[in-house]
Amino acid sequence: GEDVEQSLFLSVREGDSSVINCTYTDSSSTYLYWYKQEPGAGLQLLTYIFSNMDMKQDQRLTVLLNKKDKHLSLRIADTQTGDSAIYFCAESPVTGGGNKLTFGTGTQLKVEL
Amino acid sequence: EAGVAQSPRYKIIEKRQSVAFWCNPISGHATLYWYQQILGQGPKLLIQFQNNGVVDDSQLPKDRFSAERLKGVDSTLKIQPAKLEDSAVYLCASSPDRGTVNSPLHFGNGTRLTVT
Repeated sequence: GEDVEQSLFLSVREGDSSVINCTYTDSSSTYLYWYKQEPGAGLQLLTYIFSNMDMKQDQRLTVLLNKKDKHLSLRIADTQTGDSAIYFCAESPVTGGGNKLTFGTGTQLKVEL
Repeated sequence: EAGVAQSPRYKIIEKRQSVAFWCNPISGHATLYWYQQILGQGPKLLIQFQNNGVVDDSQLPKDRFSAERLKGVDSTLKIQPAKLEDSAVYLCASSPDRGTVNSPLHFGNGTRLTVT
């Protein structure tokens, strides 16, 4: 079955860039997502990318996809304390099942002053 | 628009007891999902409804878990009897249709279950 892996922790200073990494195992056609989870809250969709794209930018967020290595990254520019949260990478096949998401274990981002 | 509502927020029970969780999705959303999130892990899909029909329950432990979505709106998830390993946050999500990148999932804040 599908597998999605992430590193568990990342600590950065306020104002620096954060890069959160993810690897996945599913084959060709898939959607890849980044979700944010703040303490005691549900998951919030941040951005997504289709596997035939290399990059997507949305304000402070940049998603890079290396399809050959099945490696996905989320870069947060000018990281703020409000960005402290757990970030989940998720993938979903394009066909069948709609939004059948497989989530990674999450990366806890801590932003220090 | 109001978000996905879940209750209760917290529940503590002893093993072998029963528990039920309730979810009210965003108005008009046809698809409803229940996810289980064990501490330190990503959410895992338990069951997906399209209106009041089950689309996918392949990862639902059917010997102890059950879910229903009467009238295609609210949903309840029940565990009977509970085991220690059921301790987790149970997240409900909804989407306008079967879910695509143009109609992403909206998550509730979850119910944190502790089984002692």
